[in-house]
Formats: sequence, C-alpha cells, structure tokens
Amino acid sequence: AQSVTQLGSHVSVSEGALVLLRCNYSSSVPPYLFWYVQYPNQGLQLLLKYTTGATLVKGINGFEAEFKKSETSFHLTKPSAHMSDAAEYFCAVSRGGSQGNLIFGKGTKLSVKP
Amino acid sequence: SQTIHQWPATLVQPVGSPLSLECTVEGTSNPNLYWYRQAAGRGLQLLFYSVGIGQISSEVPQNLSASRPQDRQFILSSKKLLLSDSGFYLCAWRGTGNQPQHFGDGTRLSIL
Repeated sequence: AQSVTQLGSHVSVSEGALVLLRCNYSSSVPPYLFWYVQYPNQGLQLLLKYTTGATLVKGINGFEAEFKKSETSFHLTKPSAHMSDAAEYFCAVSRGGSQGNLIFGKGTKLSVKP
Repeated sequence: SQTIHQWPATLVQPVGSPLSLECTVEGTSNPNLYWYRQAAGRGLQLLFYSVGIGQISSEVPQNLSASRPQDRQFILSSKKLLLSDSGFYLCAWRGTGNQPQHFGDGTRLSIL
C-alpha cells in the first residue's frame, strides 16, 4: 500500500533563505509523485509532478523536487524564499490504477519571515 | 483549457438540514472526479471518486453521498447534516494516463 510522510508540520524560514520541505513515500509500484500548494481558503494548486524520466523536476514559482528511489524521498526545494511562498504544501503519491487516486501527506505549513 | 467550478464558496447550515454541493468541469470529457474533505488541522480525506456517469465509489463510510448525473457534473449530498460534517470540501478532476488531479476552489461548510 502507498503512504506519504511529510516531516515537519511547520517550517519557518527567512526571506531569501533556502526552502526545504521533506517528503518520504512508500509504494508497492513505481510511484507517481506530486507536490501541491494551498493558500488560505483556496484549493490545491499543482507545483510539480514526477512520473517517469528525469529525476530532478522543475515546477512553478521556482520550486523543484528530486526523486530519489534509494531514499524513497521526493523533497521540495527553492533556493530563495519569498514572502509569497507562505502557504501549506502537500506531497502526494498515486495509488496506481486507472482511478488515479492520490494519497496525501498531512501537509507542511511554510512561514516566511521578513 | 480546462476549468473546474465549485459552489457555493461558503455555506452555513443547521444540524439536520440537507446539503447539496455542486462541481462542474469544462473543457474535457470523461474525467475522473473526486470529492475530498479537509478538516481543520488535518490533511485531505478522499470521500468519493467517479470514473464515469453513475459510477460512484465511496472511500469511507459516512453521512454523505455523491452522484454524477452528467459527464462533467459531480454532486455531494446529505439528507441530514451532522456537526462532524463541518470542513472544507474540495472537488478535483483528472484526465487519462498519469495526469495529476486539478482542484476547485473549495466550499467552506460550517454546521451550527
């Protein structure tokens, strides 16, 4: 069965600092992995996805993530945080099958200090 | 391009009243459709998904039901709301293959 663990329910960084949000997964099949961002009282917006191919995936807003099979990780990074990056971030793994159901982590709330 | 619409954006209902939340998708055909609930301080819980008209799968037993009367319409309902039904309800759609899910803006439901 698939599962996702996001380490750290809250992460705080200073503006301009590196952002690192951790995600580890377990999957019995080759995983499809996703990062979403959620701003207050809004839906989830796709940041990036990994399905196959290049293990370093670039997304919107300067974010990227690297799929590391040996570590079962898919950590999200951004070199320099902006105030507008303050939001909640969710990592998800596909359960496989045609339904496309996702298993979500519990989310990490990112705060950015001026 | 594809878009997804959810309404209403916010809803305040008394305990025991009925519920109907609607979600529609434009710009695609035969999408997979999903209803999630997000309770305060928790992650996303998948409630229902549908791979076609009239085909509904329930992920958790609960006070809610879902229907898909048309290809791009997904409705979440309840006959009698409970306090525990409060939360943020999100609809999502997905195309074929390894495509990600795309979410609507959500409905904030408060039960009094």
